[in-house]
Amino acid sequence: ETGVTQTPRHLVMGMTNKKSLKCEQHLGHNAMYWYKQSAKKPLELMFVYSLEERVENNSVPSRFSPECPNSSHLFLHLHTLQPEDSALYLCASSQGLAQASYNEQFFGPGTRLTVL
Amino acid sequence: AQKITQTQPGMFVQEKEAVTLDCTYDTSDQSYGLFWYKQPSSGEMIFLIYQGSYDEQNATEGRYSLNFQKARKSANLVISASQLGDSAMYFCAMYDYKLSFGAGTTVTVRA
Repeated sequence: ETGVTQTPRHLVMGMTNKKSLKCEQHLGHNAMYWYKQSAKKPLELMFVYSLEERVENNSVPSRFSPECPNSSHLFLHLHTLQPEDSALYLCASSQGLAQASYNEQFFGPGTRLTVL
Repeated sequence: AQKITQTQPGMFVQEKEAVTLDCTYDTSDQSYGLFWYKQPSSGEMIFLIYQGSYDEQNATEGRYSLNFQKARKSANLVISASQLGDSAMYFCAMYDYKLSFGAGTTVTVRA
């Protein structure tokens, strides 16, 4: 496996379900990110982890719970979601949280989530 | 306030022609980076090109070039010799202390 992988690619869940999205990066990066992409809206940064510590949480509802057990893996645990949470969830990684301007992020293919 | 503005929701371009995608940004930082990403229908975000705020020359990567006008805070993407495989959503992004994305422009290349 190379780059950033995400599983599952598609997920349909009911509002009472609990599910988890998984992201794995094979690039030796130290920072990982979760983004939400809804139709006709810009990508929204949800969470940022650097060296397995959460450094940013952009006012995301508590029904989304991230977990970063090591620098290669990032999870997004989902519970009691709402239909408006249906979106494409993208994971990304970068070498670090650069102080300089260059901070290329490598993205995974995304998980397309539908909440019924 | 929106940091990245892409004013063209959608564009059509004839195969083999060039297309320019507009992007303006807003930041008070002196050090920042500008990125363009391509997102095909499969969903994956593909990095295309990068321009640093201190770079004096416009960035180029193959058929992609970035027309960087710092005073105007503009970072337009030019795709030359369009191909059918270029049909996708294109996002402009800026990194100052985090990566912020524009709303995107859908490009459809016609044969």
